[in-house]
Amino acid sequence: GESVGLHLPTLSVQEGDNSIINCAYSNSASDYFIWYKQESGKGPQFIIDIRSNMDKRQGQRVTVLLNKTVKHLSLQIAATQPGDSAVYFCAENVSGGSNYKLTFGKGTLLTVNP
Amino acid sequence: DSGVTQTPKHLITATGQRVTLRCSPRSGDLSVYWYQQSLDQGLQFLIQYYNGEERAKGNILERFSAQQFPDLHSELNLSSLELGDSALYFCASSKQGLAHNEQFFGPGTRLTVL
Repeated sequence: GESVGLHLPTLSVQEGDNSIINCAYSNSASDYFIWYKQESGKGPQFIIDIRSNMDKRQGQRVTVLLNKTVKHLSLQIAATQPGDSAVYFCAENVSGGSNYKLTFGKGTLLTVNP
Repeated sequence: DSGVTQTPKHLITATGQRVTLRCSPRSGDLSVYWYQQSLDQGLQFLIQYYNGEERAKGNILERFSAQQFPDLHSELNLSSLELGDSALYFCASSKQGLAHNEQFFGPGTRLTVL
């Protein structure tokens, strides 16, 4: 498969455990955040997003938490499955007007052990 | 399958050459984005088009250019190629190209410059 980074933070969990992937963002003006999942050999896939007027948002087996005070974002995956093994990226955006630019983090490699 | 197609899947060329990468967005999507993913820089936003017009620019080199055609497909032209241009190039599309529109990524084109 394709390698997306040589020095990615890694997280290794057992199947069935909960996973928490963290992301620190840099721009205090960012008001929209997205988590993407990238499996080997594929393009990034949208998982969940959150706007800055929220501090928590839940999806199916995933929860995103936003702490604007410390500029920290986390992705929680419940009951992690082998199919969750991938690189996870957070992305931030400052919206407004017609300008649009997503800034991606370096990514975290999640490995789920059966 | 995201519905976004990219061709070619792989491209091998020499330094100094020029290549064109092609992207077809999902049916109904008006906006196209180009990203570069390399081992040392991660996923970097290059440029966005909306309905044929450039909307936002990121870290795109002057040697690179893009356009979106009336049928909404897009091409990314890379010229005077250097070894450091070797990377995965992703195209993504979204409905309106607004900050909170979900982006759907294609499978990418792997460019190798020898």
